[in-house]
Amino acid sequence: AIVLNQSPSSIVASQGEKVTITCRASSSISSNYLHWYQQKPGAFPKLVIYSTSYRASGIPSRFSGSGSGTSYSFTISRVEAEDVATYYCQQGSSNPLTFGSGTKLEIK
Amino acid sequence: QMQLQESGPGLVKPTQSLFLTCSVTGFSITSGYYWIWIRQSQGKHLEWMGYMTYSGETFYNPSLKSPISITRETSKNQFFLQLNSVTTEDTAMYYCAGDNSGYWYFDFWGPGTMVTVSS
Repeated sequence: AIVLNQSPSSIVASQGEKVTITCRASSSISSNYLHWYQQKPGAFPKLVIYSTSYRASGIPSRFSGSGSGTSYSFTISRVEAEDVATYYCQQGSSNPLTFGSGTKLEIK
Repeated sequence: QMQLQESGPGLVKPTQSLFLTCSVTGFSITSGYYWIWIRQSQGKHLEWMGYMTYSGETFYNPSLKSPISITRETSKNQFFLQLNSVTTEDTAMYYCAGDNSGYWYFDFWGPGTMVTVSS
């Protein structure tokens, strides 16, 4: 199984700050198959970015993604209070599909 | 708009079987999509369990410690997850989801149903 190593495990940021989360895969993944989710407390994971860099429907432009091969990143250009959540990467390149361990974002 | 809703027993004793239902509205489960089960443990780890295609084929996560079964009832537009001989490690929030992307991302989720395995 492809292991996704996410870092950092937690971030504390100020509103307006830029934050970046990294997801490193144990094997190379096609960029079409790397996705990011946002999970707020008590809710299901919500798709934010699909296929590395495409924003899902209704997602603000401050969210972006990039990467290739084994290294991918997720960025919030200017963090807002409503972005408090845990963020997960997920690969669909090979079975079993796997998720990263999550990055918890908090606001100062 | 397609919607999914999980339902289940809430509390199950160790060694018993667990049976969960995902009810789909707004789309026929035989018309398309892959129908998926995902669980999230108390430690927040997300685990993909398996899927059923719109034609009824199934694929399960080979990394799961215990075997599972995904079945469906097309007349009710429902699909199911069964785990046998559950242990405390099966305590989790269970989500059903739908995928039609071709790239294995999940844009339709149910709200989840919590299952606790305890004597």
